[in-house]
Formats: sequence, C-alpha cells, structure tokens
Amino acid sequence: DIQMTQSPASLSASLGETVTIECLASEDIYDILAWYQQKPGKSPQLLIYDASSLHTGVPSRFSGSGSGTQYSLKINSLQPEDFASYYCQNGLSAPLTFGSGTKLEIK
Amino acid sequence: EVQLQQSGPEVGRPGSSVKISCKASGYTFTDYVMNWVKQSPGQGLEWIGWIDPEYGSTDYAEKFKKKATLTADTSSSTAYIQLSSLTSEDTATYFCARKGTMGITEPYYFDYWGQGVMVTVSS
Repeated sequence: DIQMTQSPASLSASLGETVTIECLASEDIYDILAWYQQKPGKSPQLLIYDASSLHTGVPSRFSGSGSGTQYSLKINSLQPEDFASYYCQNGLSAPLTFGSGTKLEIK
Repeated sequence: EVQLQQSGPEVGRPGSSVKISCKASGYTFTDYVMNWVKQSPGQGLEWIGWIDPEYGSTDYAEKFKKKATLTADTSSSTAYIQLSSLTSEDTATYFCARKGTMGITEPYYFDYWGQGVMVTVSS
C-alpha cells in the first residue's frame, strides 16, 4: 500500500498570510495526487488533481506542486473561508490512501 | 447539476447490519465509478472501496473486505453500502464520492461527494 505522510498536522496562520502543506508518498505516484478541503460537518471538496491542476471553481490562490514522492499545497493570501482541514490523496492505485490531514486555524 | 443524495442517520446494535444509500442525479450513473469513504469521529479519511455501476464490479480496501458490501441499482441510479457485524469501531460518517474520470483505471479522484451519513453503533 502507498502511505501518504502529511505535514504539519496543524497550522496557525493569519488572514492574508501564505501557507504551505506538504505530502510525502511512500513511493512514486507519478503526480497522481489530489488535495481536498473539508470544513467541519461538511463533505470534502476537491481542490487540486494531477498534483497541480485546479478543479473547477477553485480560487487561484490555491496551487499545487511536486513530483515523484513529494507534493505540496500552497494557499496565498488566506481568506476567512480557507480555515479548514486539508487532505492529500494517492490517486494512482488501490487502496486509495489519504494523508492524515492538516487543520488550518486562524491565529 | 451533479448531486449525490445520501440517506439519513442510522443507529445499529452491535452485531447487526445497516444499509446506506446514495442516489445520484445530474449525470449518467453508469458512466462513473462510485466510491465510499469512512471518517471516524475527529479522524481522517479512509477509502472503503468502489463499485462500477455498469458492470457491478467492485474493489475493496483489505480491511473492509469482510465489513462492507457495495451494490448499485441502475434503475434508480442509487449506490448502496451495507455494513455488517457492527462494532463500536464502525461508528463513523460514511460518504459516497464519484470518481472524477470515466472508467475503472487511474487516476482516482473524487469530484462530487454526498453529504455523509452518520452511523452510530450502540446497544
């Protein structure tokens, strides 16, 4: 199984700041990686797929990068609605695995 | 507009089974694989498995092979997950999520999600 190690587990930031979340796969996943945002009591929402492609309707302040085993999600100019939990996901092969999540909180 | 409408909250006794539904609308149900994802209280996301509604073929994560059964009814565009031999570890929210690309091969991304169903196991 492909393990997804996500860091940090939690992050505190202010409005307008830029933050980066990292995801490390246990083997090469050839950029087949997604990022999701989840707000409390809601279902996850797809933000990024294929490591760097923005899903329809997602603001351009979100961006993804990386290759091989190392990937990152960057959020520029944090807005109030961005404070949520974020998960990376291996989309290459079953079992499909998620990172353990990053909770982004307002400072 | 694509929508996945899940059934309501469930309470199951230890040792019993529950069956949750996920009704799809706004797209051709048989064109996209449906996945199921578990989220235990305060925890992260766990992939349970997928079903191809057109052929009924399935794939499961190893730990859910004896726990979950995925089915689909193409006449009503509804996917189901049945959870058997319930224990306290099955208390969680269960989401259905559509695979974002057609077919059963990679990539596996989830572009639309149901609202989730809370299953509580309690005697």
